[in-house]
Amino acid sequence: QKEVEQDPGPLSVPEGAIVSLNCTYSNSAFQYFMWYRQYSRKGPELLMYTYSSGNKEDGRFTAQVDKSSKYISLFIRDSQPSDSATYLCAMSSGSARQLTFGSGTQLTVLP
Amino acid sequence: DGGITQSPKYLFRKEGQNVTLSCEQNLNHDAMYWYRQDPGQGLRLIYYSQIVNDFQKGDIAEGYSVSREKKESFPLTVTSAQKNPTAFYLCASSIVGNLGEQYFGPGTRLTVT
Repeated sequence: QKEVEQDPGPLSVPEGAIVSLNCTYSNSAFQYFMWYRQYSRKGPELLMYTYSSGNKEDGRFTAQVDKSSKYISLFIRDSQPSDSATYLCAMSSGSARQLTFGSGTQLTVLP
Repeated sequence: DGGITQSPKYLFRKEGQNVTLSCEQNLNHDAMYWYRQDPGQGLRLIYYSQIVNDFQKGDIAEGYSVSREKKESFPLTVTSAQKNPTAFYLCASSIVGNLGEQYFGPGTRLTVT
C-alpha cells in the first residue's frame, strides 16, 4: 500500500463548477501538507501549503486537512479552463528530508 | 529573473550511453533535488543535496549519480546501469528547512532507445 493515495482521475467539470480533489495517507507523522499544480509538460508549482489540521484559503482555492481521518482536500471554486492541470498532493513529517507525493489527479475544466 | 533552468528540454540517447542532465538555480537555495516522474506514479526522489559537496540518495538512486560542486548547480547523470531511463526528470530547489516550498524547473524529457 502506498503511503499517499490519490485518485488519478481524469476529472472533467464544466466551467464555474466547484472541484474537490483529495488524498489519503497512512503515516500519522505527516504534519505538513502541500498541493502542487502541474501544467502539461511543465514543472510543478506550489499552490497551497498547510501545517497540521484545519483550513487555509487563498482566493478560489481552499486546502483542508483532517488529521484524524488522514485525509486532505483541495477545493477550487468557480473553476476556470486555466485550472486544467494535474494536481499533486505532497506531505512530510517534521523530521523528514524529503516529500512524499501522491500520483496526481488530472483535471480538465470545460469552457 | 530568479528561477531554475534545466537543459535540454528533450534528450534522446541510445541504450548503453551515459547522459548528464543539467540543473542550475539562481534562487540562492542550499537544497536541491532530482525527481523522476512516470505516468501514474507521481514524483519519486532520486537524489538530494543540502549543501555543496554533499548529497544523499533518495528512494530510487540506483543507476544515477550526481555532483554538487557549486551551490547553483546540481547535474544528474543517468548511467547505462539504469534499467528504465526513459522518463520526465525534474529538478527542484528550496531553502533548507522549508522542504514543502520547492521550486521546480521545467523538466527534461529523456528518451532512451
